[in-house]
Amino acid sequence: TQLLEQSPQFLSIQEGENLTVYCNSSSVFSSLQWYRQEPGEGPVLLVTVVTGGEVKKLKRLTFQFGDARKDSSLHITAAQPGDTGLYLCAGDDGTASKLTFGTGTRLQVTL
Amino acid sequence: ETGVTQSPTHLIKTRGQQVTLRCSSQSGHNTVSWYQQALGQGPQFIFQYYREEENGRGNFPPRFSGLQFPNYSSELNVNALELDDSALYLCASSRNRDRGSSPLHFGNGTRLTVT
Repeated sequence: TQLLEQSPQFLSIQEGENLTVYCNSSSVFSSLQWYRQEPGEGPVLLVTVVTGGEVKKLKRLTFQFGDARKDSSLHITAAQPGDTGLYLCAGDDGTASKLTFGTGTRLQVTL
Repeated sequence: ETGVTQSPTHLIKTRGQQVTLRCSSQSGHNTVSWYQQALGQGPQFIFQYYREEENGRGNFPPRFSGLQFPNYSSELNVNALELDDSALYLCASSRNRDRGSSPLHFGNGTRLTVT
């Protein structure tokens, strides 16, 4: 069974601070996706990383896929209240059938 | 472009009852996946439907079943409801499964409460 563990589980920071969320597994994934989910809504895709060592930037968000394609990180620079939400990583096993989601990191950014 | 829509948004059922949840996929999408998200956890894969057939199933008992219709919409049926079935049920659609994986587009889910 493939498992994805995220850390930390909860993060409460002030506006302007930087933070990093980690997503770790003992399994290799063909790609890894990051989603953000707000209360009462479904997850929304932020990015997909495919190649080991790949780094992608989305404004103040930086995503990295580990060299061995088993782990990933999400770094947010100068967090804003609009970044508040549940961040989920999800691994694709390459079968185009299912995603294995991580345990989630709940981020709260206050003024 | 119409997104993924799910109905109902909220539902309260009694243990032992049966429930049917519905999902309309995004325009142009031919694959539908269902996920269960318990409170405070990440979504868990239930199953996926492609061309009206089940294509992959997670670790859920047979009382969880589904259908996909020719217009690619889908239903999730759960029989003999248990208290632990209380969760947010998410539907996600994607396209061109025969060309490899593509991004999932999620609906806003159905919140099921079993009492």
